[in-house]
This record gives sequence, C-alpha cells and structure tokens, in this order.
Amino acid sequence: DIQLTQSPSFLSASVGDRVTITCRASQDINNYLAWYQQRPGKAPEVLIYVASTLQSGVPSRFRGSGAATEFTLTISGLQPEDFATYFCQQLKSLPITFGQGTRLEMK
Amino acid sequence: QLVESGGGLTQPGRSLRLSCAASGFKFDNYAMHWVRQVPGQGLEWVTGITWNSGLTDYAASVKGRFTIARDNAQNSLYLQMNSLRSEDTAVYFCVKDIFPTLGQGWYFDLWGRGILVTVS
Repeated sequence: DIQLTQSPSFLSASVGDRVTITCRASQDINNYLAWYQQRPGKAPEVLIYVASTLQSGVPSRFRGSGAATEFTLTISGLQPEDFATYFCQQLKSLPITFGQGTRLEMK
Repeated sequence: QLVESGGGLTQPGRSLRLSCAASGFKFDNYAMHWVRQVPGQGLEWVTGITWNSGLTDYAASVKGRFTIARDNAQNSLYLQMNSLRSEDTAVYFCVKDIFPTLGQGWYFDLWGRGILVTVS
C-alpha cells in the first residue's frame, strides 16, 4: 500500500499568512494526488487534483505543486474560512489512501 | 446528492447494512466509494466499486468482512458490514468518483453528509 505522510499535523497561523503543508508518498504516484479541505462537522471538499489543478470555484490563493513522491499545498493570504483540516489523497493505485491530516488553527 | 442511511448502534460481532441514495447525476456513469472517519481523526478509504460492479476493492482492515454493492436501476450504493468490531466505529461517507473505474483516479467530487456507526 502507498503511505502518505503529511506534515505538519498541526499548524497555527494568522489571517493574511502564507502556509505550506507537505505530503510525502512512500512511492512514486506520478501526479495522482488530491487535496481536500474539511470543516468541522462537514464532508471533505476537493481543492486541488492531479497535484496542481485548482478545482472550479476554489480561490486562487490555494496552490498545489509537486510530483512523484513530494507534494505541497500552499495557501497564500489566509482567510478566516481557511481555518480547517486539510488532507492529501493518492489515487494512483488501490487501495486509495489519505494522509493523516493537517489541522490549521488561528493563532 | 448522496444520502446515507442504516447506521446506528450495534454490538461487536453483529452486522449492519448501510445504504446510499444518489440523485442529481447519472449514477451508473461513475465509480463509488465508502470512506470512514473516526470523529476527530483522519479519513480512511474503506472500499470502492466500478460503474458496472465489475471491480471492487477493499482496505485491508475490512477485507473479508465488508461487501460493497450497487444497484444502478435504484441509484443506490450499499455497504454490508459483518463481524463488526469496536474499531469500525466511525462516520461512514458515501462518495462519488469522477471516473467510472478504479485506479489512476483524479479525485472524489461528491460526498454524503455521513452516517455514524457505533460498535459497542
């Protein structure tokens, strides 16, 4: 199985900050990586797919990059609604796996 | 939308069957999945099924105990959960893929609200 390791697990930041979350895969997954945002009590919503494609309707302050085994999600100019939990997901091969999540909290 | 039902409280060793009613899209064009989440913790993909039920796959943690199925005529997805364990306690999400097949996918584009299964 492909393991995804996200870091950090917890992030404290302020409105207007830029933050970066990293997701490392245990083997090459090409660019079959998606990023999701999950707010408390809600289902996850996709932000980025195939590593760097912004989902329609998602603000441009979200940016995904990377390939193979190392990926990043960068949020520039944090807004109050961005404080949530973020997950990466690999869809290269079965079983599909998720990173353990990064909880972004307001400082 | 996707609407899950059939969750609740059950005892270890018992069975439970989750259902998911789909609407608003052509159900038989897409693969479907179940993803679970222990409250306050991460996401775990449980199982997936192709558009025509030709292929299914399972997480190791549920293989041999859980069975995914779909009825395209009824726009419904199911999860039969047998030999339940306390570690199966979680919110279970019914999830739509953007492709009809499994593997080399891009993302999941529609999630249900989730339904709580408690094994205790």
